[in-house]
Amino acid sequence: GQNIDQPTEMTATEGAIVQINCTYQTSGFNGLFWYQQHAGEAPTFLSYNVLDGLEEKGRFSSFLSRSKGYSYLLLKELQMKDSASYLCAVIDSNYLLIWGAGTKLIIKP
Amino acid sequence: EAQVTQNPRYLITVTGKKLTVTCSQNMNHEYMSWYRQDPGLGLRQIYYSMNVEVTDKGDVPEGYKVSRKEKRNFPLILESPSPNQTSLYFCASSPYQGGEYLSYEQYFGPGTRLTVT
Repeated sequence: GQNIDQPTEMTATEGAIVQINCTYQTSGFNGLFWYQQHAGEAPTFLSYNVLDGLEEKGRFSSFLSRSKGYSYLLLKELQMKDSASYLCAVIDSNYLLIWGAGTKLIIKP
Repeated sequence: EAQVTQNPRYLITVTGKKLTVTCSQNMNHEYMSWYRQDPGLGLRQIYYSMNVEVTDKGDVPEGYKVSRKEKRNFPLILESPSPNQTSLYFCASSPYQGGEYLSYEQYFGPGTRLTVT
């Protein structure tokens, strides 16, 4: 079966750095997304990786290793507004999006 | 303003009473999709559509129907709702471009919270 694993919940301190990991076992791979979802709201796009390496976008960076079936989202200079769930999603060989259950990130002052 | 709209935002209904959740996008996107989100399970795709008159099943299509008669609209139909369809539903659209690598950032509607009693 297809599977995406993310930690259920993480806690970090305002101003710090946090890394949210995502591992996947899917039938094929055609790209990986990270989305942010605040409680009660719709997901919003953060990043897309299809080749190995690091993609940096402001305070957020996303890394992909296709050989290891692994990605992480790195958030720097954490702000209280970063408290949200972070969803990892993989495009499989049939171009279907497979979603992880999400990681709830709690930021403490 | 570029957006995806869904109606209604909240709905409480009874088992067996047919309902439709509308979804509309004003970005001329080819690709549209419906998801349900349940605690601990993440987003699961119900149906998707690559273009007008083209629809395909996602992971959990049982109990749902869709249609794509116009590019902008993609309604979700529950012919005979049951309590296990109580969930938070999201419609999404993206500018599907095809090719070897797809980079279709999805734009989500605000969600419809459905309760079936």
